[in-house]
Amino acid sequence: GDSVTQMEGPVTLSEEAFLTINCTYTATGYPSLFWYVQYPGEGLQLLLKATKADDKGSNKGFEATYRKETTSFHLEKGSVQVSDSAVYFCALGLLKAAGNKLTFGGGTRVLVKP
Amino acid sequence: ETGVTQSPTHLIKTRGQQVTLRCSSQSGHNTVSWYQQALGQGPQFIFQYYREEENGRGNFPPRFSGLQFPNYSSELNVNALELDDSALYLCASSPPPGQGRSETQYFGPGTRLLVL
Repeated sequence: GDSVTQMEGPVTLSEEAFLTINCTYTATGYPSLFWYVQYPGEGLQLLLKATKADDKGSNKGFEATYRKETTSFHLEKGSVQVSDSAVYFCALGLLKAAGNKLTFGGGTRVLVKP
Repeated sequence: ETGVTQSPTHLIKTRGQQVTLRCSSQSGHNTVSWYQQALGQGPQFIFQYYREEENGRGNFPPRFSGLQFPNYSSELNVNALELDDSALYLCASSPPPGQGRSETQYFGPGTRLLVL
């Protein structure tokens, strides 16, 4: 079945450090890929997305490239801020006869220290 | 433009009771999906509604049921609550299907349910 695997956290960084969160997926078909962010006590916010191979999604300094050959969608940010502390979820979306559902990874908690 | 809203924000129930959670979709979105997020885990797909019909279901028992109304708002009903039903319940809306690709889903703030 479809699945998403992302690196376990917590990831602890200092402000202005480089952040990478690995995400790989298994899917039957051609999924769209998403990164969502969840701040404490809140729902999920879409961070970025890519809908086909080699597409790069970007937002708020975060980037991720859809790599079909390695089935990956790693999230990167060049210089993190304390406000980036949150839980990050990688997800794949597939449009099937059974609907358009998102399959999520387990989440990676990121803590940025001043 | 109003985003996805959910009510109530928090709820406490006892085992065996029934609960109804509500969701209003974002303007222009006719598809609503529900997810269960247990503490420390990623969200799990419960089901999806499109044009008032169930349009896909995850691995959840029949005591999880739902409705979608003509204005595209939705309800999630859970009967015979169990302790393991304690979780954050997320509603997401998405626009009409486009060019055969998975449409982006926009999430509400969630309803936190505690079953004692």
